[in-house]
Amino acid sequence: AQSVSQHNHHVILSEAASLELGCNYSYGGTVNLFWYVQYPGQHLQLLLKYFSGDPLVKGIKGFEAEFIKSKFSFNLRKPSVQWSDTAEYFCAVRTSGTYKYIFGTGTRLKVLA
Amino acid sequence: DVKVTQSSRYLVKRTGEKVFLECVQDMDHENMFWYRQDPGLGLRLIYFSYDVKMKEKGDIPEGYSVSREKKERFSLILESASTNQTSMYLCASSLAQGRLAGLLDTQYFGPGTRLTVL
Repeated sequence: AQSVSQHNHHVILSEAASLELGCNYSYGGTVNLFWYVQYPGQHLQLLLKYFSGDPLVKGIKGFEAEFIKSKFSFNLRKPSVQWSDTAEYFCAVRTSGTYKYIFGTGTRLKVLA
Repeated sequence: DVKVTQSSRYLVKRTGEKVFLECVQDMDHENMFWYRQDPGLGLRLIYFSYDVKMKEKGDIPEGYSVSREKKERFSLILESASTNQTSMYLCASSLAQGRLAGLLDTQYFGPGTRLTVL
């Protein structure tokens, strides 16, 4: 069965530290890849997405992600985190030809001021 | 501005009650989804609908049913609530594939309904 793995469940960083959150998926075909973020008390919202083309995708608030097809990975990065980045981050995959999205279990990021 | 609304933010029900969770979107989206969100388990798809009166089971449909009589509204029904259905329920919508590629596939989420079954 298709799955999405987020290996970091909880991450604590100090402001200005660099961030990388891992996401791996298990599917050999064409995929669309997403990172969603849920700030405390707010809706889930899209951070960035990859469909095709340049495997380095830039999203809102200085986030970026790199699709590495050979590693089935779509890791999220930010060079310098801020206290306001404290949130839960979800990786998601939609396989070509389906309506279904598969979400990872999420990573809770806490940024210390 | 895109908007997905859910009928309640918090709901407390008793075991065995029939529970209705409503979701409305104002974006003319074809696709609508119901998820439940539990700590450590992420989001799990319960049901989705790609058109009026059309529905498909997700990963965890047992104990749930859905209704989509109008394009903008997607209801989740717990026929007989049980304590293991205590959870956060999220509704989402998205455009059908093939329309407006720039917005394609982005799911827009509602604020969630935190349901407690006693």
